[in-house]
Amino acid sequence: NAGVMQNPRHLVRRRGQEARLRCSPMKGHSHVYWYRQLPEEGLKFMVYLQKENIIDESGMPKERFSAEFPKEGPSILRIQQVVRGDSAAYFCASSSSLGLTYEQYFGPGTRLTVT
Amino acid sequence: AQKVTQAQTEISVVEKEDVTLDCVYETRDTTYYLFWYKQPPSGELVFLIRRNSFDEQNEISGRYSWNFQKSTSSFNFTITASQVVDSAVYFCALSDLSNTGNQFYFGTGTSLTVIP
Repeated sequence: NAGVMQNPRHLVRRRGQEARLRCSPMKGHSHVYWYRQLPEEGLKFMVYLQKENIIDESGMPKERFSAEFPKEGPSILRIQQVVRGDSAAYFCASSSSLGLTYEQYFGPGTRLTVT
Repeated sequence: AQKVTQAQTEISVVEKEDVTLDCVYETRDTTYYLFWYKQPPSGELVFLIRRNSFDEQNEISGRYSWNFQKSTSSFNFTITASQVVDSAVYFCALSDLSNTGNQFYFGTGTSLTVIP
């Protein structure tokens, strides 16, 4: 059973460009969580999604950031007009629909560098 | 509010020494889960352990052991006979049921360097 997959693993963008980060949850999982890890810091929650629904986006910056988890395909974290402060590692986690939401499995992360 | 504190930012030990990483948490929930993750230089998160709030038994797994004490809200992690491969950043995390979606709250991590 494949784990949580994220791509790309490394992404370089110039200031002002858009960044799209993809997360494919584990097979059978319908809950996805995004976390951001700024340099020298721990992971901070950004958003929690179920298929086609945003459940909790309390950790998302108010502007330029959006997330979706369509019925088909991976979850996408989109950052518009990136700035240097967006440089970070972005981790995705998934959990099943059985209510065991404390069982989050983390992907390997996407390291975004904004030049 | 939920919070995880890892007061030790960086620790250096000489190989074969024992080392304890501290973790103190805050939550109002009576049901919660505590975790430790290892983040090696390659950057991925490696799951080490999950404990629920009703199980205060200490756990040992090889050279790793965990001491969970609800009375002091601590969940400390000890590596016995440390090895160079243990060099990494270690994160303690908390998951409770007080908010929708059950997010994880991470500490700021402890960077462990094991010197050969």
